[in-house]
Amino acid sequence: EVQLQQSGAELVRPGTSVKLSCKVSGDTITAYYMHFVKQRPGQGLEWIGRIDPEDDSTKYAEKFKNKATLTADTSSNTAYLKLSSLTSEDTATYFCTIMGPGDYWGQGVMVTVSS
Amino acid sequence: DIVMTQAPLSVSVTPGESASISCRSSKSLLHSNGITYVYWYLQKPGKSPQLLIYRMSNLASGVPDRFSGSGSETDFTLKISRVEAEDVGIYYCGQLLENPYTFGAGTKLELK
Repeated sequence: EVQLQQSGAELVRPGTSVKLSCKVSGDTITAYYMHFVKQRPGQGLEWIGRIDPEDDSTKYAEKFKNKATLTADTSSNTAYLKLSSLTSEDTATYFCTIMGPGDYWGQGVMVTVSS
Repeated sequence: DIVMTQAPLSVSVTPGESASISCRSSKSLLHSNGITYVYWYLQKPGKSPQLLIYRMSNLASGVPDRFSGSGSETDFTLKISRVEAEDVGIYYCGQLLENPYTFGAGTKLELK
């Protein structure tokens, strides 16, 4: 069974960056596109983008193009989301997910941006 | 971007009764391959979203057959028959036809 394990909660200062990890177990990461989704407190779901770990190709939603960077490490079966120039608007839970008929979600990681 | 519009924003249902949630897309979600790329998710309180229905009408693995999906190219319905306590949460429709993937605002289901 495929499982996605995300890194722990982060408390970060405005203007800094944070890198979140998502480790895949139960299969090789190169079999899937890895997606990341943002959910602000009490709000809905926003798709950030996806990476194909096979060739490191990426797609981003326009509003996240200067905010998010997706990478993957096939040797550790892990995908990463880096968020830069953090503001209070980035305070949210971030999910990694494999989307489609075979659908898997990480447990989510809460990022709090505060001075 | 494709806009997904859900209705209602909230619904209160008596256990054992049925509930329907609607979703409309701003563009046809029917691909030339004949597949309609609308998905339905349930997010239970404090949990990650879970897939209920994929490609408009296909039941995801492990999902009770009380759930069903139907629709056309732009109008979609999730029906829950015989609502149970475990069905409480927020339901989202989403389109996986093209980037960026987009979701409806969500429908909160509560029990009466």
